[in-house]
Amino acid sequence: AQSVSQHNHHVILSEAASLELGCNYSYGGTVNLFWYVQYPGQHLQLLLKYFSGDPLVKGIKGFEAEFIKSKFSFNLRKPSVQWSDTAEYFCAVNRENAGNMLTFGGGTRLMVKP
Amino acid sequence: DVKVTQSSRYLVKRTGEKVFLECVQDMDHENMFWYRQDPGLGLRLIYFSYDVKMKEKGDIPEGYSVSREKKERFSLILESASTNQTSMYLCASSSGKSTGELFFGEGSRLTVL
Repeated sequence: AQSVSQHNHHVILSEAASLELGCNYSYGGTVNLFWYVQYPGQHLQLLLKYFSGDPLVKGIKGFEAEFIKSKFSFNLRKPSVQWSDTAEYFCAVNRENAGNMLTFGGGTRLMVKP
Repeated sequence: DVKVTQSSRYLVKRTGEKVFLECVQDMDHENMFWYRQDPGLGLRLIYFSYDVKMKEKGDIPEGYSVSREKKERFSLILESASTNQTSMYLCASSSGKSTGELFFGEGSRLTVL
């Protein structure tokens, strides 16, 4: 079965530090990749997505993610985090032609200290 | 602005009670989903529906059922609640096009005593 692994469950950073959250998936075919974010007290929302083309995708609020097919990875990055980036981040995958059926990772809870 | 509304933010029920969680979306979306969210496990799909009166099992359907009588409404039913169903339940919807973007409600936190 398809699975998504997020290796860091909790990350604590100081403001202005650089961020990289890992995401690996197990499915070998063509996939679409997503990062969702859940700010405290808010609903989950899409941060960025990759379908095809340039493997480096840019999302909202200065986030980016790089798809490395050979490593089955889609890591999320931000050069300089802010206190307002404190949230839980979820990586998700769906297989080509699977419609909107997403498989989510376990989530990474990020705390940014001011 | 897109909106997915879950009827109850917090519920406390007793073991064996029947529980209804309601979800309404105003975006005319074909697809609707119910996930449960647990710490360290992320979101796990319980059921989804791609059309009125249609439903498909997700990864963890045991102990749950769903109903979709109208396009905008998708209900999750716990026929006999158990303590291991204490969780945050998230409803989501998406258009019929395969964009992968789900729109989520704010969640319903259910505690079963």
